[in-house]
Amino acid sequence: ILNVEQSPQSLHVQEGDSTNFTCSFPSSNFYALHWYRWETAKSPEALFVMTLNGDEKKKGRISATLNTKEGYSYLYIKGSQPEDSATYLCAPRSGNTPLVFGKGTRLSVIA
Amino acid sequence: NAGVTQTPKFQVLKTGQSMTLQCAQDMNHNSMYWYRQDPGMGLRLIYYSASEGTTDKGEVPNGYNVSRLNKREFSLRLESAAPSQTSVYFCASSEAPLLSNQPQHFGDGTRLSIL
Repeated sequence: ILNVEQSPQSLHVQEGDSTNFTCSFPSSNFYALHWYRWETAKSPEALFVMTLNGDEKKKGRISATLNTKEGYSYLYIKGSQPEDSATYLCAPRSGNTPLVFGKGTRLSVIA
Repeated sequence: NAGVTQTPKFQVLKTGQSMTLQCAQDMNHNSMYWYRQDPGMGLRLIYYSASEGTTDKGEVPNGYNVSRLNKREFSLRLESAAPSQTSVYFCASSEAPLLSNQPQHFGDGTRLSIL
């Protein structure tokens, strides 16, 4: 089972602040890295699927970068809004194994 | 567009009882998955089905069985429920077989309590 670390575990920011979180994973035999957004009482929703070293993906105010050589990905949120409050999960895939989910970063945006 | 539908949404069982959690997807996806979510543990894979006719164990398969009934449906069975199986269970599906880069689509979850 892959060792997936997400930091921080939780984060409280003011509305309008920009923030970022980290996902660390083993760099060997890397295949893909998924990011999901999980709002309370809902189900996880896919944000990005990233495969190439140096990949950058963007969706509105949310963006992500990928470094497969050193085994990490950053998720950035620019100008946080209360509706961004959620748990953000990363899930790498190595070789022919299924996704392994990290424990997530819980973001609370205070208005 | 229903996506991934799980039934039931809530269930309370007594220790030793059996039950089956149902999952169906209407997106013509090949791969389906069952996860459990426990506080502080994140999502852990119980079983998955890379394609119709195949099933494989995930990280935490003990105490569970699965059936990939057809392309649409993937059920999870607890033969003799134990309090340690109290959890929220999520079913998910993805478009192409396991090694693709397609995201997973999740159902709304089944909250299961075992007394």
